[in-house]
Amino acid sequence: ELKVEQNPLFLSMQEGKNYTIYCNYSTTSDRLYWYRQDPGKSLESLFVLLSNGAVKQEGRLMASLDTKARLSTLHITAAVHDLSATYFCAVDSGGGADGLTFGKGTHLIIQP
Amino acid sequence: DVKVTQSSRYLVKRTGEKVFLECVQDMDHENMFWYRQDPGLGLRLIYFSYDVKMKEKGDIPEGYSVSREKKERFSLILESASTNQTSMYLCASSFNPRWAEQFFGPGTRLTVL
Repeated sequence: ELKVEQNPLFLSMQEGKNYTIYCNYSTTSDRLYWYRQDPGKSLESLFVLLSNGAVKQEGRLMASLDTKARLSTLHITAAVHDLSATYFCAVDSGGGADGLTFGKGTHLIIQP
Repeated sequence: DVKVTQSSRYLVKRTGEKVFLECVQDMDHENMFWYRQDPGLGLRLIYFSYDVKMKEKGDIPEGYSVSREKKERFSLILESASTNQTSMYLCASSFNPRWAEQFFGPGTRLTVL
Protein backbone atom coordinates (compact mmCIF):
# COMPACT_ATOMS: atom_id res chain seq x y z
CA GLU A 1 0.00 0.00 0.00
CA LEU A 2 1.38 3.37 -0.99
CA LYS A 3 1.97 5.78 1.87
CA VAL A 4 2.62 9.47 1.34
CA GLU A 5 4.03 11.52 4.20
CA GLN A 6 4.43 15.25 4.30
CA ASN A 7 6.37 17.24 6.78
CA PRO A 8 5.94 19.46 8.45
CA LEU A 9 2.16 19.26 8.80
CA PHE A 10 2.06 22.75 10.20
CA LEU A 11 4.42 25.61 9.53
CA SER A 12 4.33 29.20 10.70
CA MET A 13 6.94 31.46 9.19
CA GLN A 14 7.69 35.10 8.64
CA GLU A 15 7.54 36.98 5.40
CA GLY A 16 10.84 37.11 3.58
CA LYS A 17 12.11 33.76 4.87
CA ASN A 18 12.84 30.60 2.89
CA TYR A 19 11.54 27.19 3.74
CA THR A 20 11.03 23.71 2.31
CA ILE A 21 8.13 21.27 2.57
CA TYR A 22 8.98 17.61 2.14
CA CYS A 23 6.94 14.82 0.62
CA ASN A 24 8.13 11.22 1.06
CA TYR A 25 6.41 8.23 -0.45
CA SER A 26 6.81 4.52 0.09
CA THR A 27 6.76 2.83 -3.32
CA THR A 28 8.30 3.47 -6.69
CA SER A 29 6.59 6.19 -8.68
CA ASP A 30 7.69 8.63 -11.37
CA ARG A 31 4.73 10.93 -11.01
CA LEU A 32 3.99 13.45 -8.32
CA TYR A 33 1.66 16.43 -8.04
CA TRP A 34 1.49 19.45 -5.78
CA TYR A 35 -1.82 21.15 -4.98
CA ARG A 36 -2.75 24.25 -3.06
CA GLN A 37 -5.92 24.70 -1.01
CA ASP A 38 -7.11 28.00 0.43
CA PRO A 39 -9.44 27.93 3.46
CA GLY A 40 -12.94 26.86 2.44
CA LYS A 41 -11.89 26.38 -1.16
CA SER A 42 -11.08 23.43 -3.37
CA LEU A 43 -7.71 22.16 -4.54
CA GLU A 44 -5.79 24.01 -7.21
CA SER A 45 -3.08 22.27 -9.21
CA LEU A 46 0.37 23.82 -8.75
CA PHE A 47 2.95 21.49 -10.24
CA VAL A 48 3.06 18.25 -12.19
CA LEU A 49 6.35 16.33 -11.90
CA LEU A 50 6.57 13.38 -14.26
CA SER A 51 10.17 12.17 -14.18
CA ASN A 52 13.21 11.82 -11.96
CA GLY A 53 14.99 15.12 -11.59
CA ALA A 54 12.00 17.17 -12.72
CA VAL A 55 12.03 20.73 -11.44
CA LYS A 56 9.21 23.23 -11.88
CA GLN A 57 9.08 26.86 -10.73
CA GLU A 58 6.26 29.34 -10.47
CA GLY A 59 6.99 32.64 -8.81
CA ARG A 60 8.32 32.03 -5.30
CA LEU A 61 7.57 28.30 -5.37
CA MET A 62 9.82 25.61 -6.76
CA ALA A 63 9.10 21.88 -6.76
CA SER A 64 11.48 19.01 -7.47
CA LEU A 65 11.29 15.24 -7.66
CA ASP A 66 13.90 12.62 -6.78
CA THR A 67 12.36 9.26 -7.62
CA LYS A 68 15.36 7.30 -6.35
CA ALA A 69 14.99 8.84 -2.89
CA ARG A 70 11.17 8.79 -3.23
CA LEU A 71 11.17 12.42 -2.23
CA SER A 72 9.72 15.63 -3.54
CA THR A 73 10.33 19.09 -2.14
CA LEU A 74 8.37 22.30 -2.39
CA HIS A 75 10.66 25.24 -1.73
CA ILE A 76 9.36 28.67 -0.82
CA THR A 77 11.65 31.62 -1.47
CA ALA A 78 11.16 34.97 0.29
CA ALA A 79 7.70 34.04 1.50
CA VAL A 80 4.81 36.48 1.23
CA HIS A 81 1.49 36.43 3.07
CA ASP A 82 -0.44 35.43 -0.08
CA LEU A 83 1.25 32.04 -0.03
CA SER A 84 -0.53 31.12 3.19
CA ALA A 85 -2.54 27.96 2.35
CA THR A 86 -2.51 24.20 2.78
CA TYR A 87 -0.25 22.37 0.34
CA PHE A 88 -0.79 18.76 -0.64
CA CYS A 89 1.43 16.39 -2.53
CA ALA A 90 -0.13 13.46 -4.38
CA VAL A 91 1.56 10.42 -5.86
CA ASP A 92 0.50 8.03 -8.56
CA SER A 93 -0.54 4.84 -6.79
CA GLY A 94 1.16 2.60 -9.34
CA GLY A 95 -0.41 0.39 -11.95
CA GLY A 96 -2.97 3.05 -12.67
CA ALA A 97 -5.53 1.27 -10.54
CA ASP A 98 -6.30 3.78 -7.83
CA GLY A 99 -5.46 7.17 -9.19
CA LEU A 100 -3.54 9.38 -6.77
CA THR A 101 -2.70 8.99 -3.10
CA PHE A 102 -2.54 12.26 -1.19
CA GLY A 103 -0.45 13.33 1.75
CA LYS A 104 -2.20 14.87 4.75
CA GLY A 105 -1.25 18.38 3.74
CA THR A 106 1.03 21.08 5.14
CA HIS A 107 -0.81 24.01 6.69
CA LEU A 108 1.37 27.04 6.01
CA ILE A 109 0.89 30.38 7.72
CA ILE A 110 3.06 33.29 6.66
CA GLN A 111 3.02 36.19 9.05
CA PRO A 112 3.87 39.77 8.14
CA ASP B 1 -10.27 25.93 -18.67
CA VAL B 2 -11.40 22.73 -17.05
CA LYS B 3 -14.56 23.19 -15.11
CA VAL B 4 -15.78 20.77 -12.46
CA THR B 5 -18.99 21.76 -10.72
CA GLN B 6 -20.76 20.27 -7.74
CA SER B 7 -24.46 20.60 -7.12
CA SER B 8 -24.29 22.15 -3.66
CA ARG B 9 -21.67 24.02 -1.65
CA TYR B 10 -23.39 23.32 1.66
CA LEU B 11 -25.86 20.61 2.58
CA VAL B 12 -27.54 19.70 5.87
CA LYS B 13 -29.29 16.35 6.16
CA ARG B 14 -30.71 14.18 8.91
CA THR B 15 -29.51 10.76 9.98
CA GLY B 16 -31.06 8.04 7.82
CA GLU B 17 -31.80 10.27 4.84
CA LYS B 18 -30.69 9.29 1.35
CA VAL B 19 -28.29 11.91 0.03
CA PHE B 20 -27.22 12.59 -3.56
CA LEU B 21 -24.13 14.61 -4.39
CA GLU B 22 -23.76 15.50 -8.05
CA CYS B 23 -20.62 16.33 -9.99
CA VAL B 24 -20.39 17.53 -13.58
CA GLN B 25 -17.27 18.16 -15.69
CA ASP B 26 -17.17 19.87 -19.06
CA MET B 27 -13.83 18.66 -20.44
CA ASP B 28 -14.79 15.22 -21.71
CA HIS B 29 -12.59 13.56 -19.07
CA GLU B 30 -12.71 9.79 -18.89
CA ASN B 31 -11.97 9.53 -15.18
CA MET B 32 -13.95 10.91 -12.29
CA PHE B 33 -13.30 10.62 -8.56
CA TRP B 34 -15.01 11.23 -5.24
CA TYR B 35 -12.93 12.07 -2.17
CA ARG B 36 -13.78 13.09 1.33
CA GLN B 37 -11.59 15.48 3.24
CA ASP B 38 -11.39 15.53 7.03
CA PRO B 39 -9.07 17.55 9.26
CA GLY B 40 -5.82 15.70 9.92
CA LEU B 41 -6.67 12.92 7.48
CA GLY B 42 -6.13 14.62 4.14
CA LEU B 43 -8.07 13.39 1.12
CA ARG B 44 -9.35 9.85 1.03
CA LEU B 45 -10.67 8.23 -2.12
CA ILE B 46 -14.21 6.89 -1.88
CA TYR B 47 -14.94 5.72 -5.42
CA PHE B 48 -13.76 6.42 -8.90
CA SER B 49 -15.00 5.75 -12.42
CA TYR B 50 -12.94 5.36 -15.57
CA ASP B 51 -15.83 5.08 -18.00
CA VAL B 52 -19.57 5.39 -18.22
CA LYS B 53 -21.31 2.79 -16.04
CA MET B 54 -17.93 1.67 -14.66
CA LYS B 55 -16.92 2.16 -11.04
CA GLU B 56 -14.21 1.01 -8.70
CA LYS B 57 -13.96 1.19 -4.94
CA GLY B 58 -11.42 3.45 -3.39
CA ASP B 59 -10.02 3.32 0.13
CA ILE B 60 -13.24 4.02 2.04
CA PRO B 61 -16.30 2.92 0.03
CA GLU B 62 -18.38 1.67 2.96
CA GLY B 63 -21.68 3.52 3.29
CA TYR B 64 -21.44 5.02 -0.19
CA SER B 65 -22.41 4.13 -3.71
CA VAL B 66 -21.93 5.89 -7.04
CA SER B 67 -23.58 6.24 -10.41
CA ARG B 68 -22.18 7.27 -13.76
CA GLU B 69 -24.84 7.16 -16.43
CA LYS B 70 -23.27 9.86 -18.59
CA LYS B 71 -19.62 10.64 -19.19
CA GLU B 72 -19.81 14.14 -17.76
CA ARG B 73 -21.71 13.30 -14.58
CA PHE B 74 -20.68 11.31 -11.51
CA SER B 75 -23.00 11.00 -8.54
CA LEU B 76 -22.15 10.01 -4.99
CA ILE B 77 -24.99 8.45 -3.00
CA LEU B 78 -25.22 8.07 0.75
CA GLU B 79 -27.88 5.40 1.10
CA SER B 80 -28.61 6.17 4.75
CA ALA B 81 -26.65 9.14 6.01
CA SER B 82 -24.92 8.89 9.36
CA THR B 83 -23.25 11.53 11.52
CA ASN B 84 -19.79 10.11 10.77
CA GLN B 85 -20.34 11.03 7.13
CA THR B 86 -20.25 14.71 8.02
CA SER B 87 -17.36 15.92 5.90
CA MET B 88 -16.17 17.94 2.91
CA TYR B 89 -16.74 16.00 -0.31
CA LEU B 90 -14.59 16.78 -3.31
CA CYS B 91 -15.14 15.61 -6.86
CA ALA B 92 -12.30 15.48 -9.39
CA SER B 93 -11.82 14.48 -13.01
CA SER B 94 -8.93 13.68 -15.33
CA PHE B 95 -8.03 12.40 -18.74
CA ASN B 96 -6.53 8.95 -19.19
CA PRO B 97 -4.27 7.51 -17.96
CA ARG B 98 -5.69 7.20 -14.47
CA TRP B 99 -2.65 8.78 -12.87
CA ALA B 100 -3.03 11.97 -14.87
CA GLU B 101 -3.44 15.35 -13.20
CA GLN B 102 -6.79 15.70 -11.49
CA PHE B 103 -8.95 18.81 -11.53
CA PHE B 104 -11.15 19.45 -8.55
CA GLY B 105 -14.60 20.88 -8.04
CA PRO B 106 -15.40 23.46 -5.33
CA GLY B 107 -16.50 20.85 -2.79
CA THR B 108 -19.70 20.14 -0.88
CA ARG B 109 -19.67 20.55 2.88
CA LEU B 110 -22.16 18.01 4.17
CA THR B 111 -23.46 18.05 7.71
CA VAL B 112 -25.50 15.10 8.96
CA LEU B 113 -27.51 15.82 12.11
